[in-house]
Amino acid sequence: QVQLVESGGGVVQPGESLTLSCAASGFIFSIYGMFWVRQAPGKGLEWVAYILFDGSVKYYADSVRGRFTISRDNSKNTLHLQMNSLSPEDAAVYYCAKRLDSDFAFDLWGQGTPVTVSS
Amino acid sequence: EIVLTQSPGTLSLSPGDRATLSCRASQSVRSTYLAWYQQKPGQAPRLLIYGASNRATGISDRFSGSGSGTDFTLTISSLEPEDFAVYYCQHYGTSPPYTFGQGTKLEIK
Repeated sequence: QVQLVESGGGVVQPGESLTLSCAASGFIFSIYGMFWVRQAPGKGLEWVAYILFDGSVKYYADSVRGRFTISRDNSKNTLHLQMNSLSPEDAAVYYCAKRLDSDFAFDLWGQGTPVTVSS
Repeated sequence: EIVLTQSPGTLSLSPGDRATLSCRASQSVRSTYLAWYQQKPGQAPRLLIYGASNRATGISDRFSGSGSGTDFTLTISSLEPEDFAVYYCQHYGTSPPYTFGQGTKLEIK
């Protein structure tokens, strides 16, 4: 079954760190670029980060650059998002998504993992 | 940075109606890099259209995309009950940012 499954979300205090993971199955993970996208409660979608299939290129949204790090382990079919110095503005459901093979659209999404930042 | 503005914010229609959703870009974009997503409550977004007019795998032909330059449209030819959701347009490319519009909520009238 082709799917992405996120994990690692939870409740943290401002300034703390959290690492999210995304387990891929049913497709050849190692040949696709991958994204993280977040959605604050009641709000729209915000792209967070992108990583090339081999990890050699990484892009970040201005809002997270310098605090978040995207990485991948192709041997384990897993995508990660290390989040440091979290603030209440980072509270959201975080989705991982796969790049469409012929395009840069996001053609497969996980179910999301919620992150709450509160003191 | 390109800003995408979707209209209307909310669209109230009945099953069987035709829905027309608009996405306007703040500057001209390559139609190759315009997508539409559907999101239902509590669910992840789902890709409907990419490259402005290409239906994603498994998407009903009731959904169609069109447009170029700064104006793009998602049309749903005859609404089914399961089509009532929030729809987002997105501009993307070979490098970021990968910008989303603010969404249009399609609700049952």
